[in-house]
Amino acid sequence: ETGVTQTPRHLVMGMTNKKSLKCEQHLGHNAMYWYKQSAKKPLELMFVYSLEERVENNSVPSRFSPECPNSSHLFLHLHTLQPEDSALYLCASSQDLGRGSQDTQYFGPGTRLTVL
Amino acid sequence: GIQVEQSPPDLILQEGANSTLRCNFSDSVNNLQWFHQNPWGQLINLFYIPSGTKQNGRLSATTVATERYSLLYISSSQTTDSGVYFCAPRPLSNYKLTFGKGTLLTVNP
Repeated sequence: ETGVTQTPRHLVMGMTNKKSLKCEQHLGHNAMYWYKQSAKKPLELMFVYSLEERVENNSVPSRFSPECPNSSHLFLHLHTLQPEDSALYLCASSQDLGRGSQDTQYFGPGTRLTVL
Repeated sequence: GIQVEQSPPDLILQEGANSTLRCNFSDSVNNLQWFHQNPWGQLINLFYIPSGTKQNGRLSATTVATERYSLLYISSSQTTDSGVYFCAPRPLSNYKLTFGKGTLLTVNP
């Protein structure tokens, strides 16, 4: 599936670095999501945007800063991360926020982040 | 929030075997998705199935919403079916998918 793309696919960074993850969806969707997948844990929802407006901030530390400049692009800015932030970060999109029954989330390939 | 339990946690099959994966959830839902996560981390949509039965090739899924469970059937398994299978229901009360811990499937040649 290439409807949702993510870059970079792999990222290694030190605790003092600043980096950004990028997500782009080519499906004409209005809602976008960031998830974190740590080893041996279920996917955790981090942020949700609907029509470029943040509607969910799931108690995520401030060292993660999302940005949604338009409905096709979503960024996750990273600064002063900790080793425990190492994980697979997944972006997803859906037609709308999913309050109705006819909705499906589509995922990108993920960015595998390692914090040294 | 909604609780999601998937079973079995791990499953090892020989190529050609059939299997059934189960997902139990604790709340009424208006959406349920099944995903396959391949070894590279990509989550692939398998089914959107809040109720009823759907089939796609060797895979089929059934959700019995009134009894709060869903089943994923894999027939004539292939090595490319290996990976983690996630169930993700969405409760009536909000828009969030809640993921189970997954079933790790290994299909040996």
